[in-house]
Amino acid sequence: DGGITQSPKYLFRKEGQNVTLSCEQNLNHDAMYWYRQDPGQGLRLIYYSQIVNDFQKGDIAEGYSVSREKKESFPLTVTSAQKNPTAFYLCATGTRDQETQYFGPGTRLLVL
Amino acid sequence: AQSVTQPDIHITVSEGASLELRCNYSYGATPYLFWYVQSPGQGLQLLLKYFSGDTLVQGIKGFEAEFKRSQSSFNLRKPSVHWSDAAEYFCAVGAIELKTSYDKVIFGPGTSLSVIP
Repeated sequence: DGGITQSPKYLFRKEGQNVTLSCEQNLNHDAMYWYRQDPGQGLRLIYYSQIVNDFQKGDIAEGYSVSREKKESFPLTVTSAQKNPTAFYLCATGTRDQETQYFGPGTRLLVL
Repeated sequence: AQSVTQPDIHITVSEGASLELRCNYSYGATPYLFWYVQSPGQGLQLLLKYFSGDTLVQGIKGFEAEFKRSQSSFNLRKPSVHWSDAAEYFCAVGAIELKTSYDKVIFGPGTSLSVIP
């Protein structure tokens, strides 16, 4: 079954805690992206990666970190430096020649 | 830099009525244009996309969109709305020249569609 999986569906973070959101894909896409979505706003790009072992900051990278050790995986860590982490996080993949992005089901992060 | 505006934050239509969601973009060259739909608590699903060629694009679920270069618009239409179309709709624009590096996609703020039975 081809697709993009994000886990967990809901995640709770305590003050000062780092949490990691998982994104896995079996579409064989080179590019992967992380977006943040807040109510009433569009998607804002956090980080993106076009190839394994390479990634670039997006528009709102502060307080977040990523890694791209495998083509299939692009985990996002929300660090304690991110003071307002409550949001819906969306992972996407894409093929460079088609420029189309495909989205996972999302993870909702809540702060306790 | 690219930008996307969706002038309508929220639209309500009756089931069976026609629908048009507006999207305007700002970009110097011919962009890639997309419409995505998002159901509550879900990811985004691609409805249709325009890269080049015919300016009237057909998508899934009976949706279509028309690219009008003179108006910098890419409005989404459906002739008869179903209750299941209630969702959030996002227009997006991507750059076309930067083939050797990242082609950024900018999303609009979204239009929330409610459907009255």
